[in-house]
Amino acid sequence: KQEVTQIPAALSVPEGENLVLNCSFTDSAIYNLQWFRQDPGKGLTSLLLIQSSQREQTSGRLNASLDKSSGRSTLYIAASQPGDSATYLCAVSKLTGNQFYFGTGTSLTVIP
Amino acid sequence: DTAVSQTPKYLVTQMGNDKSIKCEQNLGHDTMYWYKQDSKKFLKIMFSYNNKELIINETVPNRFSPKSPDKAHLNLHINSLELGDSAVYFCASSQGTGFTDTQYFGPGTRLTVL
Repeated sequence: KQEVTQIPAALSVPEGENLVLNCSFTDSAIYNLQWFRQDPGKGLTSLLLIQSSQREQTSGRLNASLDKSSGRSTLYIAASQPGDSATYLCAVSKLTGNQFYFGTGTSLTVIP
Repeated sequence: DTAVSQTPKYLVTQMGNDKSIKCEQNLGHDTMYWYKQDSKKFLKIMFSYNNKELIINETVPNRFSPKSPDKAHLNLHINSLELGDSAVYFCASSQGTGFTDTQYFGPGTRLTVL
């Protein structure tokens, strides 16, 4: 059974700092990996989707990497802003079958 | 325009009741999903559905049933509600099937069972 873990569970940084969020998964037979953000009391917003054949994806100040063989992904946020404060979730889809597994989440606070 | 909408936003009900949560997407997507987020904020897939196939997570009790009147709607019916059903339920949709594409989420429905 796929298990997805995110470290750290919570992170607090001053504005302007670059930061890295980590995601690890136990079964490397994935179809893709997605990063989401969730604001308090809101739904999820998709940030980046990396197919299993890709190594990284970039969108603005966000860069996500994928190392499928080691079961790891990182989300790099450059020049963090208070508006980046949210919970960040990674999720992997299974290569076969129809399953989707979310990580435990990292709660990010960017201090002005 | 709201891409994925859910109603109601909040639902408070007594144990044993039957309730429904509605979901609509105006993105023209082929696949819709229901997720449950528990009190520890952990998200778990419940169902994925397109016009050809319903995939049920094996851990979901059969008191939960999705119903799709058309491609743009996937409603969640819950029978004989239990205390443990209290959670936030999210609907989502995507163009492709099997979690192959970016998913778009609704704002969630907070269900409280008393």
